Amino acid sequence: SAVISQKPSRDICQRGTSLTIQCQVDSQVTMMFWYRQQPGQSLTLIATANQGSEATYESGFVIDKFPISRPNLTFSTLTVSNMSPEDSSIYLCSAQKGANEQFFGPGTRLTVL
Amino acid sequence: GENVEQHPSTLSVQEGDSAVIKCTYSDSASNYFPWYKQELGKRPQLIIDIRSNVGEKKDQRIAVTLNKTAKHFSLHITETQPEDSAVYFCAASNFGNEKLTFGTGTRLTIIP
Repeated sequence: SAVISQKPSRDICQRGTSLTIQCQVDSQVTMMFWYRQQPGQSLTLIATANQGSEATYESGFVIDKFPISRPNLTFSTLTVSNMSPEDSSIYLCSAQKGANEQFFGPGTRLTVL
Repeated sequence: GENVEQHPSTLSVQEGDSAVIKCTYSDSASNYFPWYKQELGKRPQLIIDIRSNVGEKKDQRIAVTLNKTAKHFSLHITETQPEDSAVYFCAASNFGNEKLTFGTGTRLTIIP
């Protein structure tokens, strides 16, 4: 498995501001992903964080709103830009080890006022 | 793209009984099927997975079965215990496209 940490664990932000979430893995991994999970809902993939190149975004998510960095094989950041109350959610990063096995970070609970 | 359906959305069983959660997928190229358990306020935890070259896999009280022809897979929990209460998610992906597509989740409640 992989030990994954996220910072911050939670935050309350004002409308129009931006928040950067950090994800750190305890070992090098091939793939890292960012998900969003609304309360009581399933996980929705935002993007695949590619090391050394631009992230690959899923339908409905754009780079201007959710810029992602992945400077090395153990670290990634997700920024939620120009936030609105609709962005209130839990944001989770995951890392893939081995063949397809994904392990999740503890999540960042974001509330936008 | 892949679509994963999961049933039931809620399930209550008496402690000691068995629980079964079922998922169907749409993409015949999918060949990896994990199950995650998520307790309230916690991260999803990988509890078992199966690949398309096998039909069944067991790990103590948990088992997963896969029917590739029918494109469905199921999670079986035997001798349920209160700590099995959680939300369970199935997912699917394929080698070469490691993105996981998740089902909608099943809230399992074990009644003492």
